[in-house]
Amino acid sequence: DAGVIQSPRHEVTEMGQEVTLRCKPISGHDYLFWYRQTMMRGLELLIYFNNNVPIDDSGMPEDRFSAKMPNASFSTLKIQPSEPRDSAVYFCASSFSLLAEYQETQYFGPGTRLLVL
Amino acid sequence: RKEVEQDPGPFNVPEGATVAFNCTYSNSASQSFFWYRQDCRKEPKLLMSVYSSGNEDGRFTAQLNRASQYISLLIRDSKLSDSATYLCAVLRYGGATNKLIFGTGTLLAVQP
Repeated sequence: DAGVIQSPRHEVTEMGQEVTLRCKPISGHDYLFWYRQTMMRGLELLIYFNNNVPIDDSGMPEDRFSAKMPNASFSTLKIQPSEPRDSAVYFCASSFSLLAEYQETQYFGPGTRLLVL
Repeated sequence: RKEVEQDPGPFNVPEGATVAFNCTYSNSASQSFFWYRQDCRKEPKLLMSVYSSGNEDGRFTAQLNRASQYISLLIRDSKLSDSATYLCAVLRYGGATNKLIFGTGTLLAVQP
């Protein structure tokens, strides 16, 4: 299996531009997670999906952020308009289940390093 | 107070040393606990789950102290390749909205 795939791996953009991050989860995983990691705040869960349906988006910082999962093999995280404080590493992860005994199967993608100038 | 807290370090230790990290959590209802390893500019990867009775995997030992609400990771005979950031994670139960809450990580640097 190729693991969780994310693109782009790096993104540099100017403030005010739209940014779209993409993720392909591991085939057969029903849960998909978007995380953001910064030095100050660590790894934060933004939103997660179960069977393509958003379950908890309480971590989404504000209306500039939106996420979609149109099918089981693809998800996007969009920031519009982007701001310098959005600069971070964005990870996508997927797992088979959210039950405790299966939590060890949450796999992370390589991340997208976003820099907003 | 953060829900999951770790000493950010860095912990600078010589090769062969034993080093231990603690991670405290505030939600007493938490049931599942994990240690992840994150190499520089890489994604987090599960190192080990933490079970109530404590568990060991080679040079690594994880323990849970529910009374004091912390988990620990002990690394014996540390290697240069152990240098990384170690993240603890706690599963917060919310019925249909279980979440994995991460600490900010502890940086370990093993020196030759």
